[in-house]
Amino acid sequence: ETGVTQTPRHLVMGMTNKKSLKCEQHLGHNAMYWYKQSAKKPLELMFVYSLEERVENNSVPSRFSPECPNSSHLFLHLHTLQPEDSALYLCASSQGFGQGVYREKLFFGSGTQLSVL
Amino acid sequence: GIQVEQSPPDLILQEGANSTLRCNFSDSVNNLQWFHQNPWGQLINLFYIPSGTKQNGRLSATTVATERYSLLYISSSQTTDSGVYFCAVDDSSYKLIFGSGTRLLVRP
Repeated sequence: ETGVTQTPRHLVMGMTNKKSLKCEQHLGHNAMYWYKQSAKKPLELMFVYSLEERVENNSVPSRFSPECPNSSHLFLHLHTLQPEDSALYLCASSQGFGQGVYREKLFFGSGTQLSVL
Repeated sequence: GIQVEQSPPDLILQEGANSTLRCNFSDSVNNLQWFHQNPWGQLINLFYIPSGTKQNGRLSATTVATERYSLLYISSSQTTDSGVYFCAVDDSSYKLIFGSGTRLLVRP
C-alpha cells in the first residue's frame, strides 16, 4: 500500500463512451501526476498538478481531460478514445513542488488498465 | 533531451543469486530514483538517490553523478523480486525521464 488509490482497476470502453479515472492520495502531498504506460514503451508523463493548478500538459490529446478539485484527488476524464489509447494509466503523488517538481520521491497508485475497443 | 539507458533489458536469476542493474544517463541530473514494478503493475519507489550509496535490506543503490550512472544491487534474490526495475532522472526541467526498464525473473 503506497497511499495512492486508483479506481477502477480495469476499464473496458468503446470509442464513443465517456468515462473517468479516479485517483486519491492519503499522504498529504501537494503534487499529483498522470502517467501513461504502453506496452514496450517507457512511462510517459501526461499531466502534473501542483497545489491544484496544472503545471504540465505534455502534448496530450484533448480527448484526455484532467481535473484536480483538491490536493488529494485527481481525475482523468476520457471521451472518444482510440484503440491506441489502450494502456496502463498510473497516478502518482509527491510531497512538494520545490525548485523542481521531481526533486521529491514519487509514490504511485496501482494503475487502471484501460482497453479501448 | 536527456537519454536514460538501462541494462540488461532482461535478466533471469536462480533464487539466492545476486545481481547488478545499471542505469546510464546522458547529461547532468538533479535527481535519480529507482522503482520496482511488480507483475500486477504496482510501481514502488525503492530509492531516491541523486548521489552516493543507500541500502535498504537486500537492496542497495549507488549513483555516481559525475560519471552519469547508477547501479542497483540485489542480493540473495527472491521470487518476489521479479518484475521490472526502472530508473528515472530529472534534469534542469522538471520532467522525470524513465528508462525502458530491466525485466527480472527470479526462478525458485
